Amino acid sequence: DADVTQTPRNRITKTGKRIMLECSQTKGHDRMYWYRQDPGLGLQLIYYSFDVKDINKGEISDGYSVSRQAQAKFSLSLESAIPNQTALYFCATSVGGASYNEQFFGPGTRLTVL
Amino acid sequence: DQQVKQNSPSLSVQEGRISILNCDYTNSMFDYFLWYKKYPAEGPTFLISISSIKDKNEDGRFTVFLNKSAKHLSLHIVPSQPGDSAVYFCAAIRSGGSNYKLTFGKGTLLTVNP
Repeated sequence: DADVTQTPRNRITKTGKRIMLECSQTKGHDRMYWYRQDPGLGLQLIYYSFDVKDINKGEISDGYSVSRQAQAKFSLSLESAIPNQTALYFCATSVGGASYNEQFFGPGTRLTVL
Repeated sequence: DQQVKQNSPSLSVQEGRISILNCDYTNSMFDYFLWYKKYPAEGPTFLISISSIKDKNEDGRFTVFLNKSAKHLSLHIVPSQPGDSAVYFCAAIRSGGSNYKLTFGKGTLLTVNP
């Protein structure tokens, strides 16, 4: 079974619609992240959470919001989707600590905004 | 301004030969570097890393070399296998308070031909 799961895996929506992408993990990690990948580009950090009560903006948070419902769940919302939010979205998790710890990625959600 | 650059969008090699993937960075504060591998329809998976206090790290067929003075690192795969065909992302981290923040390159698509 996958340790980091994302739902849905694919979504097509229209401009102006509200969309929620969900991420669940069974790794017991405290830290969770949302990334976006555009074609031909690397991953960019949207939001990150170090624990249930700690949520922080990443590089490209405009137009997005998140909710950390539990240690294992971190959802990403697009309140009013626009076409340039068409991208591949990845959730990731890691343990915390003073040094870098490996981030484990989910399989991704392909979002298309028409 | 892109701080981690992978200037080759794609690379094609023959099975059994060496694959060399290159990465340059501009931020001298980066002190930890990673390579991630990504297959289609899957999330990135960690492959190998290197600290800035080292110039080489080896793990089986994979070796990462770091040239700090040139701000350049490379991933060598020897021998290359068809299953190595994937997108490879170089990523960098600045330790300390930002040890969670991965800065990714755009990726290089490696194709290993049988």
